Amino acid sequence: GESVGLHLPTLSVQEGDNSIINCAYSNSASDYFIWYKQESGKGPQFIIDIRSNMDKRQGQRVTVLLNKTVKHLSLQIAATQPGDSAVYFCAENIRSSASKIIFGSGTRLSIRP
Amino acid sequence: NAGVMQNPRHLVRRRGQEARLRCSPVKGHSHVYWYRQLPEEGLKFMVYLQKENIIDESGMPKERFSAEFPKEGPSILRIQQVVRGDSAAYFCASSYRDSEKLFFGSGTQLSVL
Repeated sequence: GESVGLHLPTLSVQEGDNSIINCAYSNSASDYFIWYKQESGKGPQFIIDIRSNMDKRQGQRVTVLLNKTVKHLSLQIAATQPGDSAVYFCAENIRSSASKIIFGSGTRLSIRP
Repeated sequence: NAGVMQNPRHLVRRRGQEARLRCSPVKGHSHVYWYRQLPEEGLKFMVYLQKENIIDESGMPKERFSAEFPKEGPSILRIQQVVRGDSAAYFCASSYRDSEKLFFGSGTQLSVL
């Protein structure tokens, strides 16, 4: 559903390690999912998307996994770099009513040198 | 290869004044979306527009807020008689297809004194 919260959860990862960011989505009718990266002071940047007829999709250094049974989405970042530091949001297209993209609560990814 | 252009980048208004936020979508995109973001929170959907039509305004406050996307020119988010609670970052996004792969602008930071 709509993201609410007083602060963002943080994931701290050693540089060079893999990062896994998780997201639980709200609506079983959603058929399209997107991951966005937002750096401080900037707008969200598209990373990767996946449709509900797939369970895995790979991009450059990123992989998205979709588990429709438990309504769970994850973003895996391989060999995490300092430039990966940002807030990551998952988003879903809820088509049960009017079509629109709804964002989940974000996760702040922090990289340890 | 211009992306989504938003202006102004920062807007300061006193309580009771009007705020006008502009958004020019990616060339060729006919779907425009407005989102609002408070610090350390996710993006809240406000409104989805196509050229000359409001498709979904379920996230817009019923009073003081309006949006348009005319046949010619940018999309405008208008906030009348601003109050301190309107202070936030307002992001515009556009897409080629209905509610898929949104591209975001850099946002307008509205500060109400």
